[in-house]
Amino acid sequence: EVQLLESGGGLVQPGGSLRLSCAASGLTFSRYAMSWVRQAPGKGLEWVSGISGSGENTFYADSVRGRFTISRDNSKSTLYLHMNSLKAEDTAVYYCTKSPGDHGEFWDNYFDPWGQGTLVTVSS
Amino acid sequence: DIVMTQSPDSLAVSLGERASINCKSSQTILHNSNNKNHLAWYQQKPGQPPKLLIYWASTRESGVPDRFSGSGSGTDFTLTINSLQAEDVAVYYCQQYYFTPPTFGQGTKLEIK
Repeated sequence: EVQLLESGGGLVQPGGSLRLSCAASGLTFSRYAMSWVRQAPGKGLEWVSGISGSGENTFYADSVRGRFTISRDNSKSTLYLHMNSLKAEDTAVYYCTKSPGDHGEFWDNYFDPWGQGTLVTVSS
Repeated sequence: DIVMTQSPDSLAVSLGERASINCKSSQTILHNSNNKNHLAWYQQKPGQPPKLLIYWASTRESGVPDRFSGSGSGTDFTLTINSLQAEDVAVYYCQQYYFTPPTFGQGTKLEIK
């Protein structure tokens, strides 16, 4: 069974930085593209960023491009999201999730499973 | 970006009855190369992460009850829940994965009447 466990969330001031981690188990991690999807309190789902299995190709939503960096360490089966210049509107639960195909490419990106999420609160 | 619009925003249905949720994409998400619609449906219960129900518009994920079904093609899609059960109370989202960025509908809240 694939399991995803996020960590690293917390309270940060506007303009600050945070690094989220997602530890994966139950799969050959490098074979799968991964994504971060966030959900602001009481709101819907917003895809934030994705990365191919090799880590060579990365993708970002316009709302975070230039401020967030996605990366992965396949030797540790861990996905990361480095968040800089945080804004109040970045406040959300951040979910780690996996694309289905074991080709590792970032296409056909529906998401399963999802981690439990980690809450990021940007506030002074 | 492709805009996904769900209707209605909320829905109340009696136990044992049928619920239908619609999803419309701003562009076709039927891919010519594989003749598949790049659309997924998710269920999210309070305090839980989303759960994949259906992909390729009509393929049910393993373990999902067969009262859940997806239909539609091109730009118009429907999630149907037959014989509504109390445990089906949730918010449902559609998502296109034809283009990057993947985009979600705004969600439909399903309640018991």
